[in-house]
Amino acid sequence: DVKVTQSSRYLVKRTGEKVFLECVQDMDHENMFWYRQDPGLGLRLIYFSYDVKMKEKGDIPEGYSVSREKKERFSLILESASTNQTSMYLCASSFGTTLGPLHFGNGTRLTVT
Amino acid sequence: SQQGEEDPQALSIQEGENATMNCSYKTSINNLQWYRQNSGRGLVHLILIRSNEREKHSGRLRVTLDTSKKSSSLLITASRAADTASYFCATDGGYSTLTFGKGTMLLVSP
Repeated sequence: DVKVTQSSRYLVKRTGEKVFLECVQDMDHENMFWYRQDPGLGLRLIYFSYDVKMKEKGDIPEGYSVSREKKERFSLILESASTNQTSMYLCASSFGTTLGPLHFGNGTRLTVT
Repeated sequence: SQQGEEDPQALSIQEGENATMNCSYKTSINNLQWYRQNSGRGLVHLILIRSNEREKHSGRLRVTLDTSKKSSSLLITASRAADTASYFCATDGGYSTLTFGKGTMLLVSP
């Protein structure tokens, strides 16, 4: 089974801090994704990557950046955390096509105070 | 980007009953996928149906697709308490990534 591991289940950070969310997958998938999930808004794509060092903006990239230095690892960076970035963050990966099926991690619930 | 929309937003049934949830979308698709999310966890892929398929089964799950109406339904037969979760449809719709709906919350009471 594919395993997608997110480094933290819960994270509390202060406004203005730089925040790193890490995601690792163990199945040599080419594609990796970062979503945020908010009540009433569903899942929204922040960034995705289809290869090492490659990245594409999703629907809501503002305030975020990403890094993919190794195939198995995809990091989401909040350069200066703000309260409106309090959310559940979900990492996913897929083999071959970016159109799924997607394999998700268990999520990181980030609170920015 | 276009988005699938699930209906109803919430559904409450008793164990043993069938649960049906629907998904409508706006543009032509190559495939449609259903995912389940247990409370506070990530999504799990359930089933994929291609645009040239009308019906697909997987265990107690039955998915139908009507491309003329741009809609899909997910039927869970003989529901169990463990089926309590949110269910999402996802479509490709000509974009390079999937677009997810907002989900149907299913509560199955013992």
